[in-house]
Amino acid sequence: ETGVTQSPTHLIKTRGQQVTLRCSSQSGHNTVSWYQQALGQGPQFIFQYYREEENGRGNFPPRFSGLQFPNYSSELNVNALELDDSALYLCASRRGSGGPLTSYNEQFFGPGTRLTVL
Amino acid sequence: RKEVEQDPGPFNVPEGATVAFNCTYSNSASQSFFWYRQDCRKEPKLLMSVYSSGNEDGRFTAQLNRASQYISLLIRDSKLSDSATYLCVVNMANQAGTALIFGKGTTLSVSS
Repeated sequence: ETGVTQSPTHLIKTRGQQVTLRCSSQSGHNTVSWYQQALGQGPQFIFQYYREEENGRGNFPPRFSGLQFPNYSSELNVNALELDDSALYLCASRRGSGGPLTSYNEQFFGPGTRLTVL
Repeated sequence: RKEVEQDPGPFNVPEGATVAFNCTYSNSASQSFFWYRQDCRKEPKLLMSVYSSGNEDGRFTAQLNRASQYISLLIRDSKLSDSATYLCVVNMANQAGTALIFGKGTTLSVSS
């Protein structure tokens, strides 16, 4: 086990609804990244939070938003759900300094939340 | 062109076979390179980092060629337990933090 937990494990929503996914990072880790993995694809970077601030974002629309709390846990919020949002959502945590990864520094992934949008 | 491209696979090999996966990346400023392993319906797990000097971990050998922007993973003496999807991953130097860019993955199936 990586020590990174996510909830819920599975979720079914309908188009137009909103969803909140949660991630608890490994103890001592201050940086959380979120990824979306569609079926048959590799994970795609959504955004990263470092010390409660977003400090990196991939090519996702503003309806994907997030939060990081003082205990470094994090939430991913998706508004106005679309069918294509159906995917496995992964969070990953690490101990970082807010800058780019320049050396070996493992990220630990949580088990993911599988979201189905009908 | 995709940022990270991998062999499409799937690779179906018998136990004991040697199998090689290839990967290319588009951003020449990328600094960190990894191979991750992902089992069906599970999260990705780091298999190994990849360095220009090459690195080996038991039956696994990873190589990086910066000039060609090419990464490889060699698995020798394949085991049934090696069956999984292997993801080539690059950290893009122009993004903050650990914005890992994943390839689509190559599926390996090892049979007895």
